[in-house]
Amino acid sequence: AQTVTQSQPEMSVQEAETVTLSCTYDTSESDYYLFWYKQPPSRQMILVIRQEAYKQQNATENRFSVNFQKAAKSFSLKISDSQLGDAAMYFCAYRRTRSNDMRFGAGTRLTVKP
Amino acid sequence: EAGVTQFPSHSVIEKGQTVTLRCDPISGHDNLYWYRRVMGKEIKFLLHFVKESKQDESGMPNNRFLAERTGGTYSTLKVQPAELEDSGVYFCASSQYEGNEQFFGPGTRLTVL
Repeated sequence: AQTVTQSQPEMSVQEAETVTLSCTYDTSESDYYLFWYKQPPSRQMILVIRQEAYKQQNATENRFSVNFQKAAKSFSLKISDSQLGDAAMYFCAYRRTRSNDMRFGAGTRLTVKP
Repeated sequence: EAGVTQFPSHSVIEKGQTVTLRCDPISGHDNLYWYRRVMGKEIKFLLHFVKESKQDESGMPNNRFLAERTGGTYSTLKVQPAELEDSGVYFCASSQYEGNEQFFGPGTRLTVL
């Protein structure tokens, strides 16, 4: 079974600082995708960043980057220069290749302090 | 382009009643997914439609849940009769092709009293 664990139910960061959200997963597959989704309050969940397991290079999207450690089954999200608009619930997700079944973590609520 | 929409945004019902949730996917997206997040826990997959056909319904919790997608456009998820443990947020997502990025709706918050 594939499970995704987010061990930090809540995190806070000062505006303009950097924060790292943790995610670990369990799988016996070698080929899969990992995602970070962001859900702002009362708004739709949107994809922040995506990583293919076969790629060794960590994905980056502007201020968002990941630290993908395949052997450790770890997939943390780093947000640099945090902005007030980054405040949201963040979900880590896993999907096996050739499957549509996304597995999510329980989420981390990020607060950004001005 | 309109995103995935869900109706209603909130629903409060009593145990034993029936509720129907609706999802309108992005136009042209053949793949439609339902997920559920029970209070404080992870988001769990319920089922996947390809057009009007159920491709995978392995996540449906029991036969009180019925999902349909007549005509391959919008989908409904009916809970009958609702139980207390059905409370949570029900998300819908759609994608153009299988394996592509899934676009999520804002969710329907269901509260069963």
